[in-house]
Amino acid sequence: GQQLNQSPQSMFIQEGEDVSMNCTSSSIFNTWLWYKQDPGEGPVLLIALYKAGELTSNGRLTAQFGITRKDSFLNISASIPSDVGIYFCAPRRGANNLFFGTGTRLTVIP
Amino acid sequence: NAGVTQTPKFRILKIGQSMTLQCTQDMNHNYMYWYRQDPGMGLKLIYYSVGAGITDKGEVPNGYNVSRSTTEDFPLRLELAAPSQTSVYFCASSYQPPGGARGGQFFGPGTRLTVL
Repeated sequence: GQQLNQSPQSMFIQEGEDVSMNCTSSSIFNTWLWYKQDPGEGPVLLIALYKAGELTSNGRLTAQFGITRKDSFLNISASIPSDVGIYFCAPRRGANNLFFGTGTRLTVIP
Repeated sequence: NAGVTQTPKFRILKIGQSMTLQCTQDMNHNYMYWYRQDPGMGLKLIYYSVGAGITDKGEVPNGYNVSRSTTEDFPLRLELAAPSQTSVYFCASSYQPPGGARGGQFFGPGTRLTVL
């Protein structure tokens, strides 16, 4: 079956540091989405990627759609305490399904 | 706009009981979804709907039923609750399918369900 590996599982960083996380898959996808989930809340869409090789920014966040279409990367620059949360990659699987990764739990130390 | 609202926020059920999780959105979105999130895991799709009167199974539909009689409402029904259904349930809606330019899903705050 399809596999989706998200890494790292967790990160502890100092405020101001940059963060990198990624998702890799055994399958090709045509759309990659990145979500953030705060404790006790539903996920919130951060960035959507629709084309292989695409690089898209949203403020301090930058995401890339891998050229092989099997991976995607999310970078956060100059982290701040409110970046704390769980980040999920979610490639589109089929017409109406998102395939969520297991998440990267980010802790920012002030 | 209130966005996506879910009720209840918390619920404890006994094995074999039934209940309905309510979901309402006020954004006039055609697409609605139900996910479950188990501890430390990502979300898995239970059912989805592409419009009023149309529903389809997702990845983990067993033990659940849905209906979509209006654009706004998409209730999820558990008929015979089992401990394996202990999870956090999220409802979401979107204007287009996930791959569309306006396909970003808006999530509700979730319902935390425990089956004992």
